Amino acid sequence: AQKVTQAQTEISVVEKEDVTLDCVYETRDTTYYLFWYKQPPSGELVFLIRRNSFDEQNEISGRYSWNFQKSTSSFNFTITASQVVDSAVYFCALSDHLNTGGFKTIFGAGTRLFVKA
Amino acid sequence: EAQVTQNPRYLITVTGKKLTVTCSQNMNHEYMSWYRQDPGLGLRQIYYSMNVEVTDKGDVPEGYKVSRKEKRNFPLILESPSPNQTSLYFCASSHRGPNSPLHFGNGTRLTVT
Repeated sequence: AQKVTQAQTEISVVEKEDVTLDCVYETRDTTYYLFWYKQPPSGELVFLIRRNSFDEQNEISGRYSWNFQKSTSSFNFTITASQVVDSAVYFCALSDHLNTGGFKTIFGAGTRLFVKA
Repeated sequence: EAQVTQNPRYLITVTGKKLTVTCSQNMNHEYMSWYRQDPGLGLRQIYYSMNVEVTDKGDVPEGYKVSRKEKRNFPLILESPSPNQTSLYFCASSHRGPNSPLHFGNGTRLTVT
């Protein structure tokens, strides 16, 4: 069965602090995909990154970095030198195959990040 | 511009009055899905469609119907809405395959009184 856990409901930081959002997942599939999405106060959902289960290389994109560790089933997201514009709800998601030949994407409950000026 | 369009953005209705939320995408995506977002629960999948005339239940399908007669459209139907269906609804689409990121519409905030 699939499961995505984002244990941090809300995080509050001061601008320029680093912050890590945790994501732990469960799946029986050996091939799966992990995603992070951002939902700013305006409400839309924006794709940030995708990782394949067979690629454990960490990724950095500007102030954002992602740490994928299969050994701990975690896919954590770090924002370095946070800014007010980073204030949003962040969702971690897992996508894997169904026995029917389709696939399914499930989301964690989300972590609301407040960045104070 | 590539997009997923949902309508309406806001809807207030009364218990039992049938309603339809439309969703259309212009990216020729095979896969479409509906999610509802509730505080503390994240996004939960209602129904999904792998292609035209192929639909299946997600995690919370009760009280909802969908249809996929054309590739671009995937309407969500509430035959007899109830207050527990008050929520923020998102339509999403992607290319076929679990490795494709989802493209989301802007959401429909539904209130059922």
